[in-house]
Amino acid sequence: EVQLVESGGTLVQPGGSLRLSCAASGFIFTSYLMTWVRQAPGKGLEWVANVNQRGTEKHYVDSVKGRFIISRDNAKNSLYLQMSGLRADDSAVYYCARDWGTEGMDVWGKGTTVTVSS
Amino acid sequence: DIKMTQFPSTLSASVGDRVTITCRASQSVSNCLAWYQQKSGKAPNLLIYEASTLETGVPSRFSGSGSGTEFTLTISSLQPDDFATYYCHQCRSYPYTFGQGTKLEIK
Repeated sequence: EVQLVESGGTLVQPGGSLRLSCAASGFIFTSYLMTWVRQAPGKGLEWVANVNQRGTEKHYVDSVKGRFIISRDNAKNSLYLQMSGLRADDSAVYYCARDWGTEGMDVWGKGTTVTVSS
Repeated sequence: DIKMTQFPSTLSASVGDRVTITCRASQSVSNCLAWYQQKSGKAPNLLIYEASTLETGVPSRFSGSGSGTEFTLTISSLQPDDFATYYCHQCRSYPYTFGQGTKLEIK
């Protein structure tokens, strides 16, 4: 079964750090871009970052540049999001998604919740 | 950044209705446009990619059209399972962006 499972979300204080993980299974992980999308409570979807198949090209939304780092470990079929300098407006459900590029994001995890609060 | 604007933001309709949601880009995205359906508390689900290609397994009552800056998602005959929030998403230029969403409600 094709599956993505996120983990690592928790309550963290403003200014803190957190690493999210996304474990992939059921498909050839190295064949796909991978993407993080987030959704703040009651709000719409926000594209956060993506990484190419080899992990050599990374792109970010402006609001997280310099604070978040996307990475992948192809040997472990895993995607990561290292988050630092967390702010209240980073509070959201974070989804990882398998990304075909122009053909869309066709597999999503169930999400992991990050809450930034003192 | 490319701004994606959807309208309407909320749409009330009945089972069997034909509905159309529009997505406008602040600059051309060519045909690099996808549509997603999201139900409350669930992850998004890909419906349409490359503006008009139906994702495998998505019912044929869903269709997409457009290119450049103007796109539409049409549901030809609403079914009870279709009441959800719909998002467009451009993949033409980084940072990629979503529209703000259109909530489709039961009239």
